[in-house]
Parts: sequence; structure tokens; C-alpha cells
Amino acid sequence: DQQVKQNSPSLSVQEGRISILNCDYTNSMFDYFLWYKKYPAEGPTFLISISSIKDKNEDGRFTVFLNKSAKHLSLHIVPSQPGDSAVYFCAASVTGGSEKLVFGKGTKLTVNP
Amino acid sequence: GAGVSQSPSNKVTEKGKDVELRCDPISGHTALYWYRQSLGQGLEFLIYFQGNSAPDKSGLPSDRFSAERTGGSVSTLTIQRTQQEDSAVYLCASSLARQGGGELFFGEGSRLTVL
Repeated sequence: DQQVKQNSPSLSVQEGRISILNCDYTNSMFDYFLWYKKYPAEGPTFLISISSIKDKNEDGRFTVFLNKSAKHLSLHIVPSQPGDSAVYFCAASVTGGSEKLVFGKGTKLTVNP
Repeated sequence: GAGVSQSPSNKVTEKGKDVELRCDPISGHTALYWYRQSLGQGLEFLIYFQGNSAPDKSGLPSDRFSAERTGGSVSTLTIQRTQQEDSAVYLCASSLARQGGGELFFGEGSRLTVL
């Protein structure tokens, strides 16, 4: 039973355009959401997060949107750069629970020059 | 070191052998997590430590898997009688106490191949 779903295994965009990565979740208890970025042979690195009390969080070129009623979040990267090519993982947790993060399967983003 | 350190980075073993994977978290981080990533899969939670205790070990796949943490620092994940399905990248992460949220810092992982 996948509680965090990333239905697109891969995404390809042109440099300078917008990349939109999507994530859906099923557990309504999740109240904190994060995006991680992973390059080959490296561990995942934190990118951006959002609490359920917000619907948008922005950090430079990266913006995360949260739609609680739809149990959906998305990561927007504008403008996309070739160095953004990586696997992006969506993760969720329940504050005050075991503190573990539940991850999706990831979306491989390729930004073409 | 500045980051989470894991060893070995690569381990090839024969089916039925025991393996130990080590994680050295960021100094001062009280929370420590083990995840694994099998081919084509996401990150699968294994176990969570707060200090030396493990309040959540719900992700350990079988009793062949165990983990301990000593001195609130280094952790060892042990897999006994390894099977081919244990082949994966085992990732360790640490964080400050995550009450109210916060990011995990991951190591580079230990790639385990069971022949």
C-alpha cells in the first residue's frame, strides 16, 4: 500500500522551461512534506519542504504547492537548468509520530540544454 | 566529518552470509534512520533511532534484520543469512530531533549485492 505516489517515473524538459513534478498521498494524517533530490551514487539531499498549514513555499527557483483537499503536492522548478537533472523524491511525515519520512518512488528529471 | 558517513560503500557477499553496515551520523544529531532502496523502487523505511532506543522498527523486513546504536552515535545494521532479495542500497540518515518537522541528512549509502 503506497501512501506516497509519484506516478511519473520520468520527465524531460528543455533548459529554461518550467519543470513540474507531481506527488499524491493517501494518508490524511500527513502534515509535513518534503522534496529530496538525488544524483547517481549519492545520498538524497533536501530541497524544500512545506507544512500543512501552508499551501505554498518558495525558495529561489523552487516552489512547492500543497492542495490538502486533493492530497496533492507539486514541485515547480523555474527556470530549469541542466544541473537540475536528477531523481526527485517526494516525502511525507506525521508530526509527533515516529518522525519517519514516507517516500515516493521518485521521478527522474532530465533537463536538456 | 561534516556529513553522514557510511561503510562499506560497496559490499558483495554470498547468499547465506552475514553482513554488517555501519553509519556514523552528523555529530549532535539525536535521530538516526535506516532506509533501503531496491532497484527501481523508492526509499523504504527500515528503522528509526532516537538516542540509543528504537521507537519505530516497523520497517525491518524480517527477523534476519537487526540494528543497534551505541553512545547515541554510531549505528550498525546487521543482516543475517543474506538472501538475494536483500540486494539494495542501504541509506542512513540523521537529524536533530524532528518534532515539528525538519530535514534528514543522508549518507551516500552502502550498496549490497548478494550473489
